[in-house]
Amino acid sequence: DQQVKQNSPSLSVQEGRISILNCDYTNSMFDYFLWYKKYPAEGPTFLISISSIKDKNEDGRFTVFLNKSAKHLSLHIVPSQPGDSAVYFCAASARDFGNEKLTFGTGTRLTIIP
Amino acid sequence: EAGVTQFPSHSVIEKGQTVTLRCDPISGHDNLYWYRRVMGKEIKFLLHFVKESKQDESGMPNNRFLAERTGGTYSTLKVQPAELEDSGVYFCASSPAWQTYNEQFFGPGTRLTVL
Repeated sequence: DQQVKQNSPSLSVQEGRISILNCDYTNSMFDYFLWYKKYPAEGPTFLISISSIKDKNEDGRFTVFLNKSAKHLSLHIVPSQPGDSAVYFCAASARDFGNEKLTFGTGTRLTIIP
Repeated sequence: EAGVTQFPSHSVIEKGQTVTLRCDPISGHDNLYWYRRVMGKEIKFLLHFVKESKQDESGMPNNRFLAERTGGTYSTLKVQPAELEDSGVYFCASSPAWQTYNEQFFGPGTRLTVL
């Protein structure tokens, strides 16, 4: 039973355009959501996060949108750059003080075409 | 500041053998997590230490897996005896105790192949 789903295994976007990565979740107890970026042979690197009390969080070229009623979040990257080519993981946690384990999706491989 | 380190980076063993993976968290991080990614699937939680205590080991697949965290510093994950389905990439992550939200810092992973 996968509680965090990334239905697009891959996505190709032209350099300079907007990349939109999507994520759906089923567990209504999740109250904090994160995006991680992963290059080959490296560990996931934290990118951006959002609390369930917000519907948008922006950090430079990266913006995360949260739609709680639809249990959906998305990551927007604009403009997309070649260095953004990586696998992006959506993750969620239910803030249970003392243990905030992350539940991950299967990842979306983003390829930026020069 | 040094990041999370893991050793070895790769390990190839035969079914039935024993393997021990090591993780050194970022200095001062009380929280230490183990995760595993199998065959391009999702990254799955295995267990969580707070200092030297196991806070949650609900993700451990079975009793062939044993995790320890000596003195609340580095951690080891032993698989004994290894089975084919144990192959995958094992990630370690750490975070400070004072952090309100859970932005975990990941190591590069250990790729385990069981033949």
